[in-house]
Amino acid sequence: DVKVTQSSRYLVKRTGEKVFLECVQDMDHENMFWYRQDPGLGLRLIYFSYDVKMKEKGDIPEGYSVSREKKERFSLILESASTNQTSMYLCASSLAGARSNEQFFGPGTRLTVL
Amino acid sequence: AQTVTQSQPEMSVQEAETVTLSCTYDTSENNYYLFWYKQPPSRQMILVIRQEAYKQQNATENRFSVNFQKAAKSFSLKISDSQLGDTAMYFCAFMKHNNNDMRFGAGTRLTVKP
Repeated sequence: DVKVTQSSRYLVKRTGEKVFLECVQDMDHENMFWYRQDPGLGLRLIYFSYDVKMKEKGDIPEGYSVSREKKERFSLILESASTNQTSMYLCASSLAGARSNEQFFGPGTRLTVL
Repeated sequence: AQTVTQSQPEMSVQEAETVTLSCTYDTSENNYYLFWYKQPPSRQMILVIRQEAYKQQNATENRFSVNFQKAAKSFSLKISDSQLGDTAMYFCAFMKHNNNDMRFGAGTRLTVKP
């Protein structure tokens, strides 16, 4: 089974803090994604990466950056957390070129910024 | 840009009965994939069923089936013999062929009542 893990299930941070959300997958997937999930809005793509050190902006990259130094790990960084970044963050991975295009999700990190 | 619309924010169904969740999408593409994902309370999102647009036959996975109407751009999910474990948030998603950009609807919260 594909396993995607995220470093924290719940996180509480203060406005202005630098926040790191970590995601690790164990199935040698090339593609990794960061989404945020908000009620009534579904999932929105923040960034994705299709290879080590490669990244592409999604729909809502403002206020976020990412890092992919190793194939299995994709980090989301909030340089200076703000209250409007309070949300559920989901990481996903998928196999490049796979006909199924299925994305496998982590359990999510619920971030609260006070 | 592709958009995915789920017009039912919440639904409920009695155990053992059948329920249909609606999804419509907007695209000018001819070749694409459609997905239904399930997110149980406090658990990871998992793929329920997938449909390739070039296949006319509706996908089926045990108690889950879809009604794919390409011309109408409609992709509904039917759950037969509903079980308590089907209680979850359900997301409809769209992805163009050979593309990593998955678009999600806002979700439908389904409650199965005993």
